[in-house]
Amino acid sequence: GAGVSQSPSNKVTEKGKDVELRCDPISGHTALYWYRQSLGQGLEFLIYFQGNSAPDKSGLPSDRFSAERTGGSVSTLTIQRTQQEDSAVYLCASSLAYRGREQYFGPGTRLTVT
Amino acid sequence: QKEVEQDPGPLSVPEGAIVSLNCTYSNSAFQYFMWYRQYSRKGPELLMYTYSSGNKEDGRFTAQVDKSSKYISLFIRDSQPSDSATYLCAMSELGGNNRLAFGKGNQVVVIP
Repeated sequence: GAGVSQSPSNKVTEKGKDVELRCDPISGHTALYWYRQSLGQGLEFLIYFQGNSAPDKSGLPSDRFSAERTGGSVSTLTIQRTQQEDSAVYLCASSLAYRGREQYFGPGTRLTVT
Repeated sequence: QKEVEQDPGPLSVPEGAIVSLNCTYSNSAFQYFMWYRQYSRKGPELLMYTYSSGNKEDGRFTAQVDKSSKYISLFIRDSQPSDSATYLCAMSELGGNNRLAFGKGNQVVVIP
C-alpha cells in the first residue's frame, strides 16, 4: 500500500517568511509524528498526534513552530518567521495506535532558509 | 550527556564482511530498541526492533540488546553493496508519547 507522503520535497525560503509542510500518513494509522533531522543534531522528535487526543508538543523548539492534524489524517507543520537554524529535513512518521515501536517514515521535506 | 550515543564515524567494509554497529544509552526507561536504515535523500526505514534484553535475528541482520550495560548492537552478515547506507539506532519508552530517541547514525559503505 501507499506509504507516508510529504510535500513539498524541497523548500527554499527567505529568513523571516512562514512555511507550511504537509504530511499524509499511511491509511489507518492513527498516530502521527514529526521529527527534524539536521547535520549537527541528528533526528529530533518534535510533536506527536494520537487520534483525537491533544497533541504532545514537548519537542517543539520554539513557539514559532506549530502543527495541526485535520480529520485525524493529514497534518501540517507550520514554521513562522523562519530562521537559518531552521534549515533541516523535516520527517513525518505514522504508526498504528500504541505501536510506536513501528513508525514508518516519509521521504521528508528539505527546508533551506536563506 | 545525550540520551543515545552512536559513534557517527563512517565504516567501510569489503563485500561479504560482517558489519558491526552499536549504540549506548543513558535512559533506563527505554524498553524498545530499533534499528533504521536510511539511504541518501530518503526517509529512515525500520529494519527491526527488540523489546527489552535479548537477541533477534532477521535474515542477515541480528540485533542484540544488553540492558544491564545499556548497550545495543546490530550485526550484518555477508554484507552486500546494497547495504551501503546510514544506520540509525532508536529507542523508546513503554507507552507515553512513543517518542523515538535516535543516535546520530553510522554511514556504512560496502565495497564490491
